Amino acid sequence: AQSVTQLGSHVSVSEGALVLLRCNYSSSVPPYLFWYVQYPNQGLQLLLKYTSAATLVKGINGFEAEFKKSETSFHLTKPSAHMSDAAEYFCAVSDGRGSTLGRLYFGRGTQLTVWP
Amino acid sequence: NAGVTQTPKFRVLKTGQSMTLLCAQDMNHEYMYWYRQDPGMGLRLIHYSVGEGTTAKGEVPDGYNVSRLKKQNFLLGLESAAPSQTSVYFCASSSAGGGEGGYTFGSGTRLTVV
Repeated sequence: AQSVTQLGSHVSVSEGALVLLRCNYSSSVPPYLFWYVQYPNQGLQLLLKYTSAATLVKGINGFEAEFKKSETSFHLTKPSAHMSDAAEYFCAVSDGRGSTLGRLYFGRGTQLTVWP
Repeated sequence: NAGVTQTPKFRVLKTGQSMTLLCAQDMNHEYMYWYRQDPGMGLRLIHYSVGEGTTAKGEVPDGYNVSRLKKQNFLLGLESAAPSQTSVYFCASSSAGGGEGGYTFGSGTRLTVV
């Protein structure tokens, strides 16, 4: 089974500041990696995913994430935070490639607060 | 363009009552999942299914049962609700083995057991 660690359950930034949300995973087989966003009282929406193409992945709303195999990390960044980015963010990793089960393993989430 | 639909959206149960949560997807996905979300705990897998007629236990299956009689539907049952089952329940589906496609989530069911 995979495990996912999101460092920092809460992150606060000022509007216009850099957003950095950290995610590390444990995997002995190259996985697929995802970031999901959850706005209050809503379900989870896919923000971006890494599936073995470019290691720098661009997602919606100006977010991007870089896959670093040597560090087993997939940190999420955005150069300039906007008030509308306030939400909870979940990192997820799949079973290793070649697995017949399409299961994702989720981190515990990071709540992003954006101050005006 | 419905995707994954969960019903009901909200429910209040008394301890000991039973209920069924319905998840329906229209994307012809093989895999379906039920998660619960609790503050500080992230998403925990309750049960999942890799195809019509199949089900399997996840991390926290106790107190829940599931059925997948039709490919598009995945039902989650609580036979005798307990306050510890107060949570937000999410259904998800996926198409690919190995997780390449990621999940499509429903909008959730907020359940309170009093």
